[in-house]
Amino acid sequence: YVLTQAPSVSVAPGKTARIACGGDNIGSNRVHWYLQRPGQAPVLVVYDDRDRPSGIPERFSGSNSGNTATLTISRVEAGDEADYYCQVWDSNSDHPVFGGGTKLTVL
Amino acid sequence: EVQLVQSGAEVKKPGESLRISCKASGYSFSTYWISWVRQMPGKGLEWLGRIDPSDSYSDYGPTFRGRVSISSDTSVSTVYLQLSSLKASDSATYYCARDIGYSSASAYWGQGTLVTVSS
Repeated sequence: YVLTQAPSVSVAPGKTARIACGGDNIGSNRVHWYLQRPGQAPVLVVYDDRDRPSGIPERFSGSNSGNTATLTISRVEAGDEADYYCQVWDSNSDHPVFGGGTKLTVL
Repeated sequence: EVQLVQSGAEVKKPGESLRISCKASGYSFSTYWISWVRQMPGKGLEWLGRIDPSDSYSDYGPTFRGRVSISSDTSVSTVYLQLSSLKASDSATYYCARDIGYSSASAYWGQGTLVTVSS
């Protein structure tokens, strides 16, 4: 199962960033999103399509339908600059699969 | 507080074997699966495999099956990753991660272990 992400997305501070994750009928899977800042471990920001772990701001939200899942970051801040990865559990292989990652640049 | 603390950086020669550890604390060790994820320099995340510490059942991703082994020791709340026949392309940062329990998402991550394979 292949997850496709755009290599990069740029957004101005205060604006909304949308990071997409494409996969065949991904809407039937539960999608998780991680951010990773340089030199640090990944951090879970959204799980099961739209739930947020404790401590993650409400500015981070997720949606998933059809062939595309989307992570939306509202009121983008400089500190949101990171690589973002989507992940699903592939029921065919019974293993998790990661997207290739999207680098979010805050202009 | 849930913590996963990994062993330190390693330098290995091609053909050698590697064992790195991930010590868990702050929760019931046997309750949650732990996975290992690899990140080559400048690249994305790859899932190597996982273990259920309650019974030591493990399974592995197809890319690494045959060269990787994951084990656990409940007496010290530690999971181990062994990788054999190392190649230069195994140079990467290796992370352990624990799932939430009611979801396959990995909510807790170790700090990462940098492995360098070079002759």
